[in-house]
Amino acid sequence: EADIYQTPRYLVIGTGKKITLECSQTMGHDKMYWYQQDPGMELHLIHYSYGVNSTEKGDLSSESTVSRIRTEHFPLTLESARPSHTSQYLCASSDLGAGDRGELFFGEGSRLTVL
Amino acid sequence: AQKITQTQPGMFVQEKEAVTLDCTYDTSDPSYGLFWYKQPSSGEMIFLIYQGSYDQQNATEGRYSLNFQKARKSANLVISASQLGDSAMYFCAMKRTVLGGATNKLIFGTGTLLAVQP
Repeated sequence: EADIYQTPRYLVIGTGKKITLECSQTMGHDKMYWYQQDPGMELHLIHYSYGVNSTEKGDLSSESTVSRIRTEHFPLTLESARPSHTSQYLCASSDLGAGDRGELFFGEGSRLTVL
Repeated sequence: AQKITQTQPGMFVQEKEAVTLDCTYDTSDPSYGLFWYKQPSSGEMIFLIYQGSYDQQNATEGRYSLNFQKARKSANLVISASQLGDSAMYFCAMKRTVLGGATNKLIFGTGTLLAVQP
């Protein structure tokens, strides 16, 4: 069972508010990811991190930002939420070592609704 | 550019029967990996099975098997003896195998919604 946790699971917030989605993993994985998923649609990578102090933009442009100050923690922040940010945000981690499949372990997701 | 295509938006299957979920992929990389994930209505993504591009045999994990046809660039998921708990969204995904331990970014297909009927 994967040890990766996201909070909050559900968040309903008004336009213009600042929000932070938390993601923590206890597996010691160097690599972490944020995916965005609209209902019934595929996942799109919006941020990833190789390790501490390393963050990169993903394939889908996002107004959110991320930080990686500790190996186990990879929070995502929206400075000013808008209705277009309504979506599910999935955090994942992986450890691609020699011979590893390198599968991603996912958290349960954070469903964000911006009114 | 890499791409994953799942052409079945939804599938029905009777309980205890087998079902095949289709996945085709496009890549120019000689080395790659293919995954299947299950997403129940609760939202989490659950890893099911993996196939490496150089693996000689089709992958199997319990009731899940992967029908890997490299020349056709297809990696279909076969679920045997379907159970009601198998009702979920199923995503096919691909990663690039990069030397040196670089990131393990996955690209996903649009998914197939499987409904198992009693």
